[in-house]
Amino acid sequence: QKEVEQDPGPLSVPEGAIVSLNCTYSNSAFQYFMWYRQYSRKGPELLMYTYSSGNKEDGRFTAQVDKSSKYISLFIRDSQPSDSATYLCAMSEPNDYKLSFGAGTTVTVRA
Amino acid sequence: GAGVSQSPRYKVAKRGQDVALRCDPISGHVSLFWYQQALGQGPEFLTYFQNEAQLDKSGLPSDRFFAERPEGSVSTLKIQRTQQEDSAVYLCASSQTTGWGTEAFFGQGTRLTVV
Repeated sequence: QKEVEQDPGPLSVPEGAIVSLNCTYSNSAFQYFMWYRQYSRKGPELLMYTYSSGNKEDGRFTAQVDKSSKYISLFIRDSQPSDSATYLCAMSEPNDYKLSFGAGTTVTVRA
Repeated sequence: GAGVSQSPRYKVAKRGQDVALRCDPISGHVSLFWYQQALGQGPEFLTYFQNEAQLDKSGLPSDRFFAERPEGSVSTLKIQRTQQEDSAVYLCASSQTTGWGTEAFFGQGTRLTVV
C-alpha cells in the first residue's frame, strides 16, 4: 500500500461547479501538506501549503487537513476551464526535504 | 533565469544507451532535487543536493543512475545503459532554503522515452 493514496479520476465538471479533491495517508508523522497543480507537459506548481490540521483559504481554493482521519481535501469554487489540470497532493514530515506525492487527480472543467 | 530550466525537454534513447539530463536551478538556490514521474503517477524522490553536496541519493533506483552538481549550481542526472522501465518524466526542483519549504519550484521536466 502506498503512503499517500489519491483517486486518479478523471473528474469532469461543468464550469462554475465546485471541485472536490482528496487524499488519504498512512504516515502519522506527516505535518506539512501541499497541493500542486500540473498542466499537461509542465512541472507541478504549488497551490496551497498547510501546516498540521485546519483549513486554509486562498481565493477560490480551500485546503482542509484532518490529521485524526489522515485525510486532506482541496476544494475549488466557481471552477473555470483554466482549472483543467492534474492536481497532486504532497506531504512531508517535519525537517524532511522529501515529499511524498499522491498519484494525482485529472480534472476537466467543461465550458 | 526566471525559473528552473531543464534540457532537453524530450529525449528518445535506444535501450542500452547512456543519457544525461541537465537542470539549471534558479540562481542562488541552495537546494536542488530530482524526482521521477512515471506516466499517471506522482513524482518520486530520487536525490537531494545542498550546494554541491549530495546529501541523499536514497531514491536512485539502481547504480545505473548518477547525479552531480559539481559547482553548486547546474546539476546533471546521468542514466547508464537505459532500460524501458526508465521511461518517465524527470523533474528538477530548486529551493532557496535548505530543505523544501514553500519556495521550491519545479522545472518543466525532461520526458525520457526508452525504445
